[in-house]
Amino acid sequence: NAGVTQTPKFQVLKTGQSMTLQCAQDMNHEYMSWYRQDPGMGLRLIHYSVGAGITDQGEVPNGYNVSRSTTEDFPLRLLSAAPSQTSVYFCASSRPDGSTYEQYFGPGTRLTVT
Amino acid sequence: GDSVTQMEGPVTLSEEAFLTINCTYTATGYPSLFWYVQYPGEGLQLLLKATKADDKGSNKGFEATYRKETTSFHLEKGSVQVSDSAVYFCALSQGGSEKLVFGKGTKLTVNP
Repeated sequence: NAGVTQTPKFQVLKTGQSMTLQCAQDMNHEYMSWYRQDPGMGLRLIHYSVGAGITDQGEVPNGYNVSRSTTEDFPLRLLSAAPSQTSVYFCASSRPDGSTYEQYFGPGTRLTVT
Repeated sequence: GDSVTQMEGPVTLSEEAFLTINCTYTATGYPSLFWYVQYPGEGLQLLLKATKADDKGSNKGFEATYRKETTSFHLEKGSVQVSDSAVYFCALSQGGSEKLVFGKGTKLTVNP
């Protein structure tokens, strides 16, 4: 199993450009999510999906779009990049583990917007 | 809303020292509590968890006890190693939800 994979690892964008961060998992997990990690802020939930065709907003969804056409893939789109979106982005998938869920994180994408 | 507060870092220790990283939470009901670890250049990994009051989670020599009376879940290890250098995140989830609320993270550096 590759687990959760993310591409690219690093990306530099100019303000106003758009791009898609890719995320894939091969564990057949129904739940997937995107977080951003900023210094001194911990991780904040951007969007999540409980299964193919179902997505919902997290804590900080503005400026991002998602879709979930398959169980395996959950891409994150930046529509018009802004410097405030400079961050490290983590994708995660999760499986039930007793009464909770265990989340598996990808290695992250470091995005810089100039 | 729910929130998690962790002690500010960074924390620097010598090898074999005792480690405590404080974590307190604010939440309604009975959340599940977690510690995640992030090694340099990697994503987060689950370190341990506890799902009800007085539960003790443990893994790799780390322990944390769910204290409802003090709304705390402090992480401890009796003897740290250089390989424990990482960022540690306390987190909670509510009612079996997959969504996690994270603290800000505490960076630990262990020197030989």
